[in-house]
Amino acid sequence: EAGVVQSPRYKIIEKKQPVAFWCNPISGHNTLYWYRQNLGQGPELLIRYENEEAVDDSQLPKDRFSAERLKGVDSTLKIQPAELGDSAVYLCASSLVPDTQYFGPGTRLTVL
Amino acid sequence: KQEVTQIPAALSVPEGENLVLNCSFTDSAIYNLQWFRQDPGKGLTSLLLIQSSQREQTSGRLNASLDKSSGRSTLYIAASQPGDSATYLCAVFDGGATNKLIFGTGTLLAVQP
Repeated sequence: EAGVVQSPRYKIIEKKQPVAFWCNPISGHNTLYWYRQNLGQGPELLIRYENEEAVDDSQLPKDRFSAERLKGVDSTLKIQPAELGDSAVYLCASSLVPDTQYFGPGTRLTVL
Repeated sequence: KQEVTQIPAALSVPEGENLVLNCSFTDSAIYNLQWFRQDPGKGLTSLLLIQSSQREQTSGRLNASLDKSSGRSTLYIAASQPGDSATYLCAVFDGGATNKLIFGTGTLLAVQP
């Protein structure tokens, strides 16, 4: 069974540029999560989807971050414009039940 | 607000040594607690999950304990190997209204051959 797929794996951009991350969850998992992990810290939830609906986006900085999950499968997370402080690893996870989440390898973003 | 803390932040041990990683949380109203392993450039892999009603879980050389009343969990690794080198994260799942995994800051473990 394929795991959670994320792309790109690495991204280097200059500040003020836009960037987008893509996630393909495990087949059949209706819940999808985006986390941000700063260096030396644990992951923090940005947004959680149940099918197409964003049910928890309280930690998403809505002035520059946006996310979508069309057709309740793949998801994209976008940052526009990126700031230096956005440098982090962005993790996607999916689940059938909320306490058993499967994580992708993450996208390491560096903003110069 | 739930806060999860892990001590130590980093640990280096010689191969073969037994070791203990610590995790503490401020709100004892948790649904379960998990220990994850994170390798560089890779996602998180769940190692052990302890339900709030359980005291411990074992998997191979790993044993995790949970004392919910005191807000503490430990991960015991027996006979450590270089392949155990990774970052270990604990996370509490609070179920209920927020339904969130809240992670600690992690312990970076290096097992020296």
